Amino acid sequence: EPEVTQTPSHQVTQMGQEVILRCVPISNHLYFYWYRQILGQKVEFLVSFYNNEISEKSEIFDDQFSVERPDGSNFTLKIRSTKLEDSAMYFCASTRTAGGPEQYFGPGTRLTVT
Amino acid sequence: AQSVTQLDSQVPVFEEAPVELRCNYSSSVSVYLFWYVQYPNQGLQLLLKYLSGSTLVKGINGFEAEFNKSQTSFHLRKPSVHISDTAEYFCAVKERRNAGNMLTFGGGTRLMVKP
Repeated sequence: EPEVTQTPSHQVTQMGQEVILRCVPISNHLYFYWYRQILGQKVEFLVSFYNNEISEKSEIFDDQFSVERPDGSNFTLKIRSTKLEDSAMYFCASTRTAGGPEQYFGPGTRLTVT
Repeated sequence: AQSVTQLDSQVPVFEEAPVELRCNYSSSVSVYLFWYVQYPNQGLQLLLKYLSGSTLVKGINGFEAEFNKSQTSFHLRKPSVHISDTAEYFCAVKERRNAGNMLTFGGGTRLMVKP
């Protein structure tokens, strides 16, 4: 069964450093998403991406964040200058355009900013 | 905009007992409804979904949920829980108008099944 994959599973970085989180969505899906979950809190939407552009973003997704689909398979989230409060689990998800609105999630990347 | 409330942050229950995890939502437009499960140190797995039709939906692992439009609820139930059901459960909604819309999650309910 196809699944969303994410790398790395755990990333430790120092405050102020740039990080790139990588995702490979399910191959025939066309909508892609990033969510985050700060420890002990709810899952929050960051951004959605369709047809090579951002279709929706939350107020969390400020200028420090960017997304890219550099090739036909990868979907990346970049944080330019990490802050302590960026420490969280980051989930990638994808959806088909037809056949159902459910989103399929990857296993997540735990980002720890020190 | 929509919001999701999961009334219970933790639900302790003994093995083989029934359980209900409550979810209420608020939205100005029609929504799809989902339950996701998160096992310790893992990602989110889709448990079940309500898209249309019968208001009682069945999911994996013996779970079911009932959509109640008048009460704007989508409670999750299981008649007999197992130790392996110990996990965090998240209710989520998505506006119907666009298949690509974001999910809005509730705060989660930690189900703790005791032997």
